[in-house]
Amino acid sequence: AQSVSQHNHHVILSEAASLELGCNYSYGGTVNLFWYVQYPGQHLQLLLKYFSGDPLVKGIKGFEAEFIKSKFSFNLRKPSVQWSDTAEYFCAVNAADSWGKLQFGAGTQVVVTP
Amino acid sequence: EPEVTQTPSHQVTQMGQEVILRCVPISNHLYFYWYRQILGQKVEFLVSFYNNEISEKSEIFDDQFSVERPDGSNFTLKIRSTKLEDSAMYFCASNSGETQYFGPGTRLLVL
Repeated sequence: AQSVSQHNHHVILSEAASLELGCNYSYGGTVNLFWYVQYPGQHLQLLLKYFSGDPLVKGIKGFEAEFIKSKFSFNLRKPSVQWSDTAEYFCAVNAADSWGKLQFGAGTQVVVTP
Repeated sequence: EPEVTQTPSHQVTQMGQEVILRCVPISNHLYFYWYRQILGQKVEFLVSFYNNEISEKSEIFDDQFSVERPDGSNFTLKIRSTKLEDSAMYFCASNSGETQYFGPGTRLLVL
């Protein structure tokens, strides 16, 4: 069965700390991978995406993610978080070469304290 | 920058009533989607729509749900007879490539 797992439901950290959010997927075939962010009271916004090529992808706001095919993982990182990074982060997957449905992870609520 | 818009932002309805949630996808996009997120749960796919017909639907999307593109801009989700468990945030999305862009959502509360 296809699934997306995010390792942490809640993360609390201080400003300037480093952030890493885990995402693993189970999917038959080649995939497209996404991280979306939902700031409080706002809609889902795309942070970054991986379709093919360099497995280290850079997104907006200083975020990056690394696709490790052998581990079926696509972990999100930011070296130094800010208070404004407080949000919920969702990993999502769909079949490569497809404009089909996204399968989402459960989300990780990140709280950055001043 | 073009955005997906949704109306209303909030809707409260009585169980058994019909609701229509509206979305205006980004204008040159070709694929349209509805997702929902029950409070505290994952974002779940409901249905995708392309070329004026449903291209894929989930098990959740049963006979009480329907979608329509009544004109060149709107994309609607109708729930014919709402149930308590339909209370959720409903997101519309659209794309013309691999990336889906999401609207702000409609929070539906069924009493």
